[in-house]
Formats: sequence, C-alpha cells, structure tokens
Amino acid sequence: NAGVTQTPKFQVLKTGQSMTLQCAQDMNHEYMSWYRQDPGMGLRLIHYSVGAGITDQGEVPNGYNVSRSTTEDFPLRLLSAAPSQTSVYFCASSSGLANTGELFFGEGSRLTVL
Amino acid sequence: DAKTTQPNSMESNEEEPVHLPCNHSTISGTDYIHWYRQLPSQGPEYVIHGLTSNVNNRMASLAIAEDRKSSTLILHRATLRDAAVYYCILPYSGGGADGLTFGKGTHLIIQP
Repeated sequence: NAGVTQTPKFQVLKTGQSMTLQCAQDMNHEYMSWYRQDPGMGLRLIHYSVGAGITDQGEVPNGYNVSRSTTEDFPLRLLSAAPSQTSVYFCASSSGLANTGELFFGEGSRLTVL
Repeated sequence: DAKTTQPNSMESNEEEPVHLPCNHSTISGTDYIHWYRQLPSQGPEYVIHGLTSNVNNRMASLAIAEDRKSSTLILHRATLRDAAVYYCILPYSGGGADGLTFGKGTHLIIQP
C-alpha cells in the first residue's frame, strides 16, 4: 500500500551543494509532479511529467532539474542549493491530467539550505 | 492565472455540518474545481472535484453555483479528524503547464 514515496524526509544542505530528492510511485501513474510549499503558503508547481521521457516546467522551475526515465520514478535535482530553496517539497502522481484527475501526494521532504 | 478566494479560517462544532465557501470569478469554461485538505506535517489529500454539477463522495459534497463563479464544500458531519487546511483549487494555466494552483486555504477548526 505504498502509493507515493519520497526520500529523504529531512535534509540540510549548505549553499552551493547539490542533491536529489527522490519520488517513486507504485500505481502505474503516467502523470507526476513536484510542488514546493513555503511556510504559511499554498503549494506551487515546479515541474511535471505526463509520461516517461516527457517533462515540462511549472510555475517556479528555476534552480531545479527533473528527468523521467521510468514510469515509477521522478527525481528532482537541485544543482546549486540556495537559501531561497528552503521549503517542503511534495511529489504527486495521477492516472490522468491534474485538471481532471485525483492527485496522490507523498508525505513531503523538508529541505533546509544554510 | 485563475485565482480562488477563501476565508482564512472557520470554526465549527463536532458532529455538525460545515460549509466552506470559495470564490473563483475568473474560472475558465474547462476548469475543474478541486478541493484538497492538508493535515499538519502531511501531504495534501484529495477531497472532491467537479466541473458543473454538484458532486458527492464518501468524504464530502461539492455545490457549484450555476454561473460557476463560486462553490461550497460541504462536510456533512464534522469530526475532530476533519480539522485541517482546506484548499479550493483551480488548474494552473501559466504557459500551458498542467498542474494545480494552491492558495493559502481555509484553516478549519473543529470544537469538541
């Protein structure tokens, strides 16, 4: 009954370091996406994918890279972390598009950049 | 981007119905109205979504105004476990991207 699994749950980075947030889903969903949530705010779309080999930018893509080599996995890479990227990151998947379907979210990855 | 307006917070009593309002006057004709909720330190959880007609599921009902400029999420009998932030959401439409636009939501407080 895994659903959407995110790792790590917590991470502290220094400015300039790189890292990858992992996201995996076991529901055979074609659509996957990454959001960030800053304190007291709603979620903002970073990147999304409608299937293996296809990715596109969302509302706040700068500073983040993604790839989708398999249906199950959708990693989010920070190439050179900045304090402004301190946030909670959520991965979500759906069997259809975001507008018409139900998104399943992971439990989140809390990132602090010093 | 189509935006939604919700009250910052609402309070209700346990075992009573709760009506959570949302205004979305700039909604487009093909935009579904979505509701998600988020408990502390958890990811958002799907509640319900609809296009034009009222919708019901095991969690809630969604009443959509005839002009689609507003909607109301109805929790028929609130429990303490329903205390959460409730988001009324429209699709994100910037640059053709496919995702949802979350605002700040309504913090629902349930009194025992």
